[in-house]
Amino acid sequence: QKEVEQNSGPLSVPEGAIASLNCTYSDRVSQSFFWYRQYSGKSPELIMSIYSNGDKEDGRFTAQLNKASQYVSLLIRDSQPSDSATYLCAVRGSQGNLIFGKGTKLSVKP
Amino acid sequence: EAGVVQSPRYKIIEKKQPVAFWCNPISGHNTLYWYLQNLGQGPELLIRYENEEAVDDSQLPKDRFSAERLKGVDSTLKIQPAELGDSAVYLCASSLDSIAGVYNEQFFGPGTRLTVL
Repeated sequence: QKEVEQNSGPLSVPEGAIASLNCTYSDRVSQSFFWYRQYSGKSPELIMSIYSNGDKEDGRFTAQLNKASQYVSLLIRDSQPSDSATYLCAVRGSQGNLIFGKGTKLSVKP
Repeated sequence: EAGVVQSPRYKIIEKKQPVAFWCNPISGHNTLYWYLQNLGQGPELLIRYENEEAVDDSQLPKDRFSAERLKGVDSTLKIQPAELGDSAVYLCASSLDSIAGVYNEQFFGPGTRLTVL
């Protein structure tokens, strides 16, 4: 069974700080990686996708991918209380389907 | 652009009753997915359609679950009979790419929260 592992948290950071969310995956042939944000009682919302090693920046969000280490991360700069949510890492495996982690709950304290 | 539409948003039924969920994907998205999400877990795929063809239903409990996407647009997921353990959120998602595409960004609908009493 291919797996995606995330620290369930909660991860608590003060407002304005950098939040760092991490994810590891077991399928070495994975090609595509995604971060979803899920507010309580809502459905997952795609916020970042990354396909190549290195960093990809979009506003306050930076996704980092290291395929050799089978590691993907999401950095949130200048964290805001509105960023408080569960962040789901999803990996597209060799069978083509997305495999989701259990999510990391982030809490940004004012 | 309208997102993925699902109905109903909430459903409460007694065990052994049937239930159906409906999904309309983003216009132009050929690939449609049904996921199940339990509390504290990530979504888990039940079935994937490319146009009207179910190309991956390996995780669908076929003894009680069924799905259809007759015209390759909207889809219905049915449970008959429902069991207590079926209580969960049922999410529909769609993507522009087929599963063979590299990018395959999937967008979720609001979900249907099912409670089986």
